[in-house]
Amino acid sequence: KAGVTQTPRYLIKTRGQQVTLSCSPISGHRSVSWYQQTPGQGLQFLFEYFSETQRNKGNFPGRFSGRQFSNSRSEMNVSTLELGDSALYLCASSLWQGPPYEQYFGPGTRLTVT
Amino acid sequence: AQRVTQPEKLLSVFKGAPVELKCNYSYSGSPELFWYVQYSRQRLQLLLRHISRESIKGFTADLNKGETSFHLKKPFAQEEDSAMYYCALRPSNAGGTSYGKLTFGQGTILTVHP
Repeated sequence: KAGVTQTPRYLIKTRGQQVTLSCSPISGHRSVSWYQQTPGQGLQFLFEYFSETQRNKGNFPGRFSGRQFSNSRSEMNVSTLELGDSALYLCASSLWQGPPYEQYFGPGTRLTVT
Repeated sequence: AQRVTQPEKLLSVFKGAPVELKCNYSYSGSPELFWYVQYSRQRLQLLLRHISRESIKGFTADLNKGETSFHLKKPFAQEEDSAMYYCALRPSNAGGTSYGKLTFGQGTILTVHP
C-alpha cells in the first residue's frame, strides 16, 4: 500500500507570497492532520480534517488554512508568508477517528521563506 | 491545555547498555500516550502506544498516571536504535472531537555508540 505523499517536497517563497501544499493520504484513510515542525518549536498541530470537515484547529493565525476533498486528499494554504513560516510541514493520515488510532506521516514539505 | 516534556535533548549510550528516554505530560483528563521515532532520512513513524502495552523492537513504555510519565525503556541498546524519539499525547475525548490532535514533546536524539 502506498504511503502518505506530499507535494512539493521543497519550496522557496518570498515574504508576502502565498503557498499551497498538498497531501495524499493512504488509500482508505479519511482523516488528515497537518503539523508544522521547526527547530525552535518542535512539532505543532495545525489542523485536522475528517470527511471534508475541519475537526480540530491548533493555535495558528488565520493565514493558515486548509481543506479536504471528497477523495480525502488535503491541501493547506499559507497566505502572506512571513520568515517565521519557514518550516517542515508534515501531513499525517489515519483510517478514521476512533481507536485503535495511528497516524501515518508523510515525508513533509520543506518551505523556505526568504 | 496539554503539554508534553522530554527533558533530555540528547542522550548517548553504548551498545548493550540500558536506555531510558523520559517523557512527562500534563493533562487534566485521561490521555493516550505514544512514542514516535524518526530514523535518519526516514519519515516519522509510530513506535508504540500505551493502550497496546506492547514491546516493539525491545522497547517498552509504561504509563504512570501518578507521576504523569511515560518513559521509554530498552534493556540493551543497539546501534540501529540511534534516532530521534518523540513522545506524544492525544486527548481522550468521548465526544470524538480531539482524535487527530497530537501534542508532541521536543524530542530526544538517541545515539548508541559501538
